[in-house]
Amino acid sequence: KAGVTQTPRYLIKTRGQQVTLSCSPISGHRSVSWYQQTPGQGLQFLFEYFSETQRNKGNFPGRFSGRQFSNSRSEMNVSTLELGDSALYLCASSLESAGPYEQYFGPGTRLTVT
Amino acid sequence: AQKITQTQPGMFVQEKEAVTLDCTYDTSDPSYGLFWYKQPSSGEMIFLIYQGSYDQQNATEGRYSLNFQKARKSANLVISASQLGDSAMYFCAMTFPLYSSASKIIFGSGTRLSIRP
Repeated sequence: KAGVTQTPRYLIKTRGQQVTLSCSPISGHRSVSWYQQTPGQGLQFLFEYFSETQRNKGNFPGRFSGRQFSNSRSEMNVSTLELGDSALYLCASSLESAGPYEQYFGPGTRLTVT
Repeated sequence: AQKITQTQPGMFVQEKEAVTLDCTYDTSDPSYGLFWYKQPSSGEMIFLIYQGSYDQQNATEGRYSLNFQKARKSANLVISASQLGDSAMYFCAMTFPLYSSASKIIFGSGTRLSIRP
């Protein structure tokens, strides 16, 4: 069974640009969660999608958005990039939305904003 | 407010020794779950072990066991017979409340474990 895949793996953008990251969950998984990992703030929950609906949201500004498609693939978008958005963005999938204890993570997308 | 604390930023352990990684938590929710994840240098988070707040027995998964002391609000990870491949960052995490579509998850700051040959 293929694991969670994230594309691209590395990305360099300049301040003010926007970026879209993609996540393909494990086949059959309907819940996709996104996390931001930085040296200063650690791992922080961004949002969760289940059956194309955002079910949970962390404390991030509206510049961070996402969506989920009918095949459970998810995209995350960050508009008007800031230097502080440089981070490893991790995606995780699970079978169900309630109780994320069976999450499987992807390798992450490392975003650098210059 | 809910919080996860990992007080050991880094640890060095001799190969084949047992190691305990500390994790304390704070929550007012009676229903919560505690996890440990391993993050190698490749970046991918690997699920190791899970303990629910209502579970009576401590969770075990192979060489990993979770020393759950509810009254002390601690959920330490014990790795028996450490191996060189155990060198990685380890994160303690908590989800609350359980079995809710509004469940949140928070992570500790992590412990970098280095195994010496």
